[in-house]
Amino acid sequence: GAVVSQHPSWVICKSGTSVKIECRSLDFQATTMFWYRQFPKQSLMLMATSNEGSKATYEQGVEKDKFLINHASLTLSTLTVTSAHPEDSSFYICSARRSGRVTGELFFGEGSRLTVL
Amino acid sequence: SQQGEEDPQALSIQEGENATMNCSYKTSINNLQWYRQNSGRGLVHLILIRSNEREKHSGRLRVTLDTSKKSSSLLITASRAADTASYFCATGLNQAGTALIFGKGTTLSVSS
Repeated sequence: GAVVSQHPSWVICKSGTSVKIECRSLDFQATTMFWYRQFPKQSLMLMATSNEGSKATYEQGVEKDKFLINHASLTLSTLTVTSAHPEDSSFYICSARRSGRVTGELFFGEGSRLTVL
Repeated sequence: SQQGEEDPQALSIQEGENATMNCSYKTSINNLQWYRQNSGRGLVHLILIRSNEREKHSGRLRVTLDTSKKSSSLLITASRAADTASYFCATGLNQAGTALIFGKGTTLSVSS
């Protein structure tokens, strides 16, 4: 099966610092990866679409300067929460679709829980 | 943005009973998928049904899709305590390379 690894699984940081979350597809190539955010007991909200070798596409209301996304290779996308504040505390989940598949199943990482003090 | 709603929001049943969750969506879709999420974990894909399909089975799971009503249902038969989780429907749009849009989810609790 396809495996997506996300790291770190949890992180606590001080307000004002930046945090980087990595998302790797371990056994397949992913031209496109997606970053979601989930608040407690709520659904997943799409933040941005990460495209290998090009700029990410952000959803309305998501600050691109706040949430920096880099998709430098076919197996790695990173999300950097810059100058984090307590309201950025959330569960961030990445997902990937196999290259060549334009629709269909997404494979999810285990999520990264960010707590900003 | 979210595509639609699941109902019920929460469902509590006994082991051995069947659990039915419903999902409604708003736009035209290419496919509809159901995912499961254990508390604090990532999502696991359960089943995908294409827009030209009406029913699909996978083990104890049965999914229906009614595109005229823009709705889907997920039936879990003979539920087990291990089925306790949140279940989300997600719609894939007709545009290539797009993300899935998730519903609000149903939290299922199965008591032994």
